[in-house]
Amino acid sequence: DAGITQSPRYKITETGRQVTLMCHQTWSHSYMFWYRQDLGHGLRLIYYSAAADITDKGEVPDGYVVSRSKTENFPLTLESATRSQTSVYFCASSEHDRWQLNSGNTIYFGEGSWLTVV
Amino acid sequence: EDQVTQSPEALRLQEGESSSLNCSYTVSGLRGLFWYRQDPGKGPEFLFTLYSAGEEKEKERLKATLTKKESFLHITAPKPEDSATYLCAVQVLSNFGNEKLTFGTGTRLTIIP
Repeated sequence: DAGITQSPRYKITETGRQVTLMCHQTWSHSYMFWYRQDLGHGLRLIYYSAAADITDKGEVPDGYVVSRSKTENFPLTLESATRSQTSVYFCASSEHDRWQLNSGNTIYFGEGSWLTVV
Repeated sequence: EDQVTQSPEALRLQEGESSSLNCSYTVSGLRGLFWYRQDPGKGPEFLFTLYSAGEEKEKERLKATLTKKESFLHITAPKPEDSATYLCAVQVLSNFGNEKLTFGTGTRLTIIP
């Protein structure tokens, strides 16, 4: 059971370059998320997707683009990388059970992608 | 705006010394409160979900409790392998089925042998 896999795990890029972080999940979960984790800020939501072709902004979306053409994939693109985007990026997914309160729409995380922008 | 505050930021305990971590929250409508464990270099690992005040859940040496304003993660007789950062997160009620989590900044727990 592979769960969620992220690639690359580690990346160094230059300012201004375009970078794409890949995320693949094998559970067929409808919801997928991208978070970034920075010291002092904790995990902050960048974008999320409720289903294929449905995406929405989170707390810190500026400078990022997402797409979701297939349920299992949710790539995150930094169009023109900046030093402030140096961070650890986590992809996550959950099942959608909107009408079930107390049912536990647990969000499961990947192992993270460490991105350094120089 | 939904807010989640965890305290303390860091906690060092001797092996076997029980203690509690705190997560206080201010949200418009709580759907669930989640606890995660995160080891260095890893993604957050799910521990518990709590839904209503008075609810408790246990797993090995950990017990999570929930009130209307905060949650506690009690750790009883901890071992060095319990050392990790513990994250609290809230999921809010939404007319649009919004499943996102809002996280606190975590408590870094170190258990000294």
